[in-house]
Amino acid sequence: GAVVSQHPSWVICKSGTSVKIECRSLDFQATTMFWYRQFPKQSLMLMATSNEGSKATYEQGVEKDKFLINHASLTLSTLTVTSAHPEDSSFYICSARTGAEDTQYFGPGTRLTVL
Amino acid sequence: QKEVEQDPGPLSVPEGAIVSLNCTYSNSAFQYFMWYRQYSRKGPELLMYTYSSGNKEDGRFTAQVDKSSKYISLFIRDSQPSDSATYLCAMNTGFQKLVFGTGTRLLVSP
Repeated sequence: GAVVSQHPSWVICKSGTSVKIECRSLDFQATTMFWYRQFPKQSLMLMATSNEGSKATYEQGVEKDKFLINHASLTLSTLTVTSAHPEDSSFYICSARTGAEDTQYFGPGTRLTVL
Repeated sequence: QKEVEQDPGPLSVPEGAIVSLNCTYSNSAFQYFMWYRQYSRKGPELLMYTYSSGNKEDGRFTAQVDKSSKYISLFIRDSQPSDSATYLCAMNTGFQKLVFGTGTRLLVSP
């Protein structure tokens, strides 16, 4: 149990375009989902926390107009990187948490490359 | 000072060795402790989850928490080359965002 999927697993896009990444909890309902980014050989950096049906809470320094997060259902959250630039190239990972236990289950990650 | 300190390694051991991975923390309010394993270019995989001082065992893995010393450990017995990965400790105060260590890179040679 506790499987989280992400789609796509990798994406290459041109500078200025928008990219949407999906995060799904496959076998449980996720009351809270988290979005992280990770640069090579670095730890995870939390970008935002989203609860189903409400606006996401962004960490300091993360532009909410650039990284749009939607958590429309208990099994799906999306991250849209708008007007992507090469510096947005990174590994984006989502995680999901049930309401019952305080631990997070991570997706496999999405590698974004902006040319 | 970081809230969670973890030696980045790399830690190199021969196959079959006992591995000890550690984290120290400064926030005495942390109550929940986790260990994740992350292979290159993959998302972290939850290995152990504990919320009390003492030991918790799961197969070849043992998690140890010493709240009085603000110190947690993960032991891996009979290490295998497939255990080669980055191990992240994480903790929080309870249904709050996780605070991660930097991760320790482990290399198990055949």
